[in-house]
Amino acid sequence: SQQGEEDPQALSIQEGENATMNCSYKTSINNLQWYRQNSGRGLVHLILIRSNEREKHSGRLRVTLDTSKKSSSLLITASRAADTASYFCATDYSGAQKLVFGQGTRLTINP
Amino acid sequence: DGGITQSPKYLFRKEGQNVTLSCEQNLNHDAMYWYRQDPGQGLRLIYYSQIVNDFQKGDIAEGYSVSREKKESFPLTVTSAQKNPTAFYLCASSSPGGIGSTNEKLFFGSGTQLSVL
Repeated sequence: SQQGEEDPQALSIQEGENATMNCSYKTSINNLQWYRQNSGRGLVHLILIRSNEREKHSGRLRVTLDTSKKSSSLLITASRAADTASYFCATDYSGAQKLVFGQGTRLTINP
Repeated sequence: DGGITQSPKYLFRKEGQNVTLSCEQNLNHDAMYWYRQDPGQGLRLIYYSQIVNDFQKGDIAEGYSVSREKKESFPLTVTSAQKNPTAFYLCASSSPGGIGSTNEKLFFGSGTQLSVL
């Protein structure tokens, strides 16, 4: 399977702390994307990082990509209770016509 | 408002019954996708379509069927051959489409929860 792996599977932190989630993948990619899912809802796109980029920022989100290690990380700074959700990485593998999603990280922010 | 509309939100299937999940988009996107999500799991691709009148099987197509007669619509039928249909089904679309193009971000509907009676 080409499915990426995310860790941790679950993360619980206090409001105001930073949250870091990691994603590893298997073969060369065009881009890697991060999505957020609130319980019982559809996914919302957060950020896309291309294979020739190493870091990208969007508001309180920071994504890094290390193609030599085939891994990416998503950092959420100054977390808020509203950030409680599941976060998924999705890889656009070179030559594929689809995105492959990881199993996700369930993030809980405690007030 | 532009977006993707899935209906119904909840659906119940009886033994031996086929059911159809609706997905409509007004984003003028070429590509559309159906994913299945089981509790606590990631998304698995069922079928996808890059252009009208064309679609391809994803990783778990057995027991499902689709059609793409209009750009805006991509309905999914869960057939009686799908023995474990209980799951959360998500429809998505993206642009640009076309075979071999880089996959850009997906826009998702709000999902349909299918359960077996």
